[in-house]
Amino acid sequence: AQSVAQPEDQVNVAEGNPLTVKCTYSVSGNPYLFWYVQYPNRGLQFLLKYITGDNLVKGSYGFEAEFNKSQTSFHLKKPSALVSDSALYFCAVKSDKIIFGKGTRLHILP
Amino acid sequence: EADIYQTPRYLVIGTGKKITLECSQTMGHDKMYWYQQDPGMELHLIHYSYGVNSTEKGDLSSESTVSRIRTEHFPLTLESARPSHTSQYLCASSEGFFSGDEQFFGPGTRLTVL
Repeated sequence: AQSVAQPEDQVNVAEGNPLTVKCTYSVSGNPYLFWYVQYPNRGLQFLLKYITGDNLVKGSYGFEAEFNKSQTSFHLKKPSALVSDSALYFCAVKSDKIIFGKGTRLHILP
Repeated sequence: EADIYQTPRYLVIGTGKKITLECSQTMGHDKMYWYQQDPGMELHLIHYSYGVNSTEKGDLSSESTVSRIRTEHFPLTLESARPSHTSQYLCASSEGFFSGDEQFFGPGTRLTVL
């Protein structure tokens, strides 16, 4: 069965510090992995995706994610957090269908 | 400018009313989707479409119905709204049938049924 997990409901990071939002997945076959961000009262915005190739994927707003096949993970990272990064982040995995994680709320503290 | 639109953004109605949530995209995408999301919570796929005259039910059972008469338009209808339908509804589209295509989301419609 296909699944995706975001183990943290909320992550708090001080502005300027590096941030990580965790995502693990389970899928048969080759996964397609995505990160989306949702700001209050808005739809989701695409950040980045992994299809194949380099395990480190760079996306919008300085975010990047590392695909780790052995650990079945696709953690979202940013070297230096901004207050404006505060939002709800969703990981998604797509094989025969797309499944979204439950979301992680990221709080960047000034 | 290519985009995806949803109207209305907010809707408050009484129980038993028929409503239609509009979704339009100007990107020429074949696949379109409807998700239900309680505020700040996970997304649940309720309907999707591969193209004109194609509609499929998603993972979450829903009393709503959809139609796809034109590529750009994917409206969702509730024949008789109930308080349990109170939620946010997100429309999305993607370019084609390649699994690696990302989805583009509209701003959402926040529905409240009294």
